[in-house]
Amino acid sequence: GESVGLHLPTLSVQEGDNSIINCAYSNSASDYFIWYKQESGKGPQFIIDIRSNMDKRQGQRVTVLLNKTVKHLSLQIAATQPGDSAVYFCAETQYNNNDMRFGAGTRLTVKP
Amino acid sequence: DTGVSQNPRHKITKRGQNVTFRCDPISEHNRLYWYRQTLGQGPEFLTYFQNEAQLEKSRLLSDRFSAERPKGSFSTLEIQRTEQGDSAMYLCASSIQVNTEAFFGQGTRLTVV
Repeated sequence: GESVGLHLPTLSVQEGDNSIINCAYSNSASDYFIWYKQESGKGPQFIIDIRSNMDKRQGQRVTVLLNKTVKHLSLQIAATQPGDSAVYFCAETQYNNNDMRFGAGTRLTVKP
Repeated sequence: DTGVSQNPRHKITKRGQNVTFRCDPISEHNRLYWYRQTLGQGPEFLTYFQNEAQLEKSRLLSDRFSAERPKGSFSTLEIQRTEQGDSAMYLCASSIQVNTEAFFGQGTRLTVV
């Protein structure tokens, strides 16, 4: 597709606040979802995943919510820290489908 | 370091030259993926290996691109007759089985001048 350059959706939060990053996925048949964090010049880093038989999963300071009815995924980060500043991508895939599709990403900036 | 390793980290090449990138996945991971990422975009799937077999290729992978994983361990991605539009970050990822988390390397940033 055509590149939209640097015009990523952005979210700016104060250090210590909670962050919520949203993602609308495209394929109703997708049954596995992953959130990745990507810092400048680095590869994506796995944060948390969720399967379609769940609607919520918690990790350390992070929670992923899945709403299959509206094909929506969210990542909640508690007590956001400056080190959380990065671009966050959601990815979706189907069982036995090797093509993991990434969303456009959201740039999170944490203000000290 | 037992993560996914990619070499080189950066490559600058003249248009028309051939380039080859290498990926060493996590050792027990059977599945290996190549992605391409341009600035401001999410990674785009290029191709996938299950052990040494290349099982899927994206339409993005033109005939100038070829990938191999000869012994089911490391993989190479070659781009022939590079074009300026090939400039991107090339990412490799590996996973232990289907529908488990894929771990990415740091990528190889290609600049075609």
